[in-house]
Amino acid sequence: AQTVTQSQPEMSVQEAETVTLSCTYDTSESDYYLFWYKQPPSRQMILVIRQEAYKQQNATENRFSVNFQKAAKSFSLKISDSQLGDAAMYFCAYDSGAGSYQLTFGKGTKLSVIP
Amino acid sequence: SQTIHQWPATLVQPVGSPLSLECTVEGTSNPNLYWYRQAAGRGLQLLFYSVGIGQISSEVPQNLSASRPQDRQFILSSKKLLLSDSGFYLCAWSPPGSLYEQYFGPGTRLTVT
Repeated sequence: AQTVTQSQPEMSVQEAETVTLSCTYDTSESDYYLFWYKQPPSRQMILVIRQEAYKQQNATENRFSVNFQKAAKSFSLKISDSQLGDAAMYFCAYDSGAGSYQLTFGKGTKLSVIP
Repeated sequence: SQTIHQWPATLVQPVGSPLSLECTVEGTSNPNLYWYRQAAGRGLQLLFYSVGIGQISSEVPQNLSASRPQDRQFILSSKKLLLSDSGFYLCAWSPPGSLYEQYFGPGTRLTVT
């Protein structure tokens, strides 16, 4: 069974600085998808970024980028120029993409942004 | 554009009472639909998913059931709530076919007293 591990329950970053959230996963699949979701205090889950395993290029979305290391099964999220609105729980999620219809989520990292 | 609605936003129910949470999606056809539960301080647990009307798959045996009476409507129910059913319930949708990213609704906070 696939597992997703986020080893940092909480992190903090100064406003305008850069922070990296870690995620590792376990799978025997060769093709799959990875996601980062953000859950602000409103509790609504918001998709931040996605990465297809067959793409070697790391995904980027404005201030958000990932460092995808397929051999190491690592998928970290980098937030540049952190803003107060970035404060939230961040969840890493895995999907095998083979009609599994199921996302496997990590337990999340709570990010605080210090003004 | 697609939107997803959930109601109610919050709900307080006594133990043993019935439950009905509703989720609807607009702006898409034949979506995959999902119900998740998030306990305090924990990640998301998939409860049910549906790939079409009347087609429900259960991931975790429990006190809950789901139904999909219409293409874009997904309902989570219980005949008798337990204290352990308290939590935050999220509905999500994804495009039909193979799984892509899921888009979540605003959620329902359920407290069973």
